[in-house]
Amino acid sequence: AQSVTQPDIHITVSEGASLELRCNYSYGATPYLFWYVQSPGQGLQLLLKYFSGDTLVQGIKGFEAEFKRSQSSFNLRKPSVHWSDAAEYFCAVKQAGTALIFGKGTTLSVSS
Amino acid sequence: EPEVTQTPSHQVTQMGQEVILRCVPISNHLYFYWYRQILGQKVEFLVSFYNNEISEKSEIFDDQFSVERPDGSNFTLKIRSTKLEDSAMYFCASSPTSGDSDTQYFGPGTRLTVL
Repeated sequence: AQSVTQPDIHITVSEGASLELRCNYSYGATPYLFWYVQSPGQGLQLLLKYFSGDTLVQGIKGFEAEFKRSQSSFNLRKPSVHWSDAAEYFCAVKQAGTALIFGKGTTLSVSS
Repeated sequence: EPEVTQTPSHQVTQMGQEVILRCVPISNHLYFYWYRQILGQKVEFLVSFYNNEISEKSEIFDDQFSVERPDGSNFTLKIRSTKLEDSAMYFCASSPTSGDSDTQYFGPGTRLTVL
């Protein structure tokens, strides 16, 4: 069955430090890959997506993610975290025309 | 920038009551979705809707649930007789029909509390 794993439930990063959030998927074929962010009281905002092509994709707010087919991973990165990045981050996958399958999410806390 | 909107932001209801959650998708989108997130759990797919009919639904979407596009702008989720386990955050999403049809844009959610 298709699944998405986000191994880290909660991560704390110092402001200005780099960030990497992990995402692994189990899928029959290369799916479409997404990262969403949910700030407190807000909806799910799309950060970035990968459908095909260049395996390093750039998103909003300075985030990027790299698709690694051999590792079935799509990790999210940011070189320098800001306090406003504190939120919950969801990795999601889908095939064309199907519903999104979400991971359980990673809560990011930013310390000063 | 166009956004998906949802009302109400929070709904409290008694077990057994009917609730209707409302969504206004992005205006030129024609694929619509409902997802839910029980506290502490994953966001789960409920149903997708296109061309005035359900195109896909999950096991969660049983006979207690229904969706409707009553006019040109609203998309609703009705829970006929709420149960305690229906307490969750419900998200509406929409996607365009061409070009970017596999990208879903989400609303802020409605928190449903069933007492």
